[in-house]
Amino acid sequence: QKEVEQDPGPLSVPEGAIVSLNCTYSNSAFQYFMWYRQYSRKGPELLMYTYSSGNKEDGRFTAQVDKSSKYISLFIRDSQPSDSATYLCALDNTDKLIFGTGTRLQVFP
Amino acid sequence: DADVTQTPRNRITKTGKRIMLECSQTKGHDRMYWYRQDPGLGLRLIYYSFDVKDINKGEISDGYSVSRQAQAKFSLSLESAIPNQTALYFCATSGLDRGSQETQYFGPGTRLLVL
Repeated sequence: QKEVEQDPGPLSVPEGAIVSLNCTYSNSAFQYFMWYRQYSRKGPELLMYTYSSGNKEDGRFTAQVDKSSKYISLFIRDSQPSDSATYLCALDNTDKLIFGTGTRLQVFP
Repeated sequence: DADVTQTPRNRITKTGKRIMLECSQTKGHDRMYWYRQDPGLGLRLIYYSFDVKDINKGEISDGYSVSRQAQAKFSLSLESAIPNQTALYFCATSGLDRGSQETQYFGPGTRLLVL
């Protein structure tokens, strides 16, 4: 079983839609959960991080962690074409990150 | 200027050749990493270094070696390249730049094709 599972997509939505991106993980010891965004031909960049369970909001983005279900989510409200990218979840495993495979998102006008 | 730079950005080489990918950072971080990214497999850790004298194998180190020449420089070598090393390679650094959470900063990537 992989430590982190993420649907690769692609996910195609119209501008203005609410997007939900998700990952599941197997190791209950993970405490820090991150979302990275990667534009085409660029390196990933940190979008949000969350410690333990709960929600964290930053503008149009909300990160949610449910440790009891080992499930993490990223919600994007009022999605824009500029949000088109690959989104990778990452879990902190004592100084190393374990990445999901990434979900490719396309927001069309 | 970019905080993390990688050279070359693109490279085509032949099976059996030795090649080196270089990474430099200006963030002053001690920790540096090399990853490869493949479609459907995501980012996988090859090697990482927590300071100049510390080198650690990652998930997929076979066929690779690294050198940490200075705090700011971390190079990855393929001693004898093979076609299944064709991938996108990323260098990253990490430090406590966003509150108390260690944040990784990635370079722009090197696209490697082994024929």
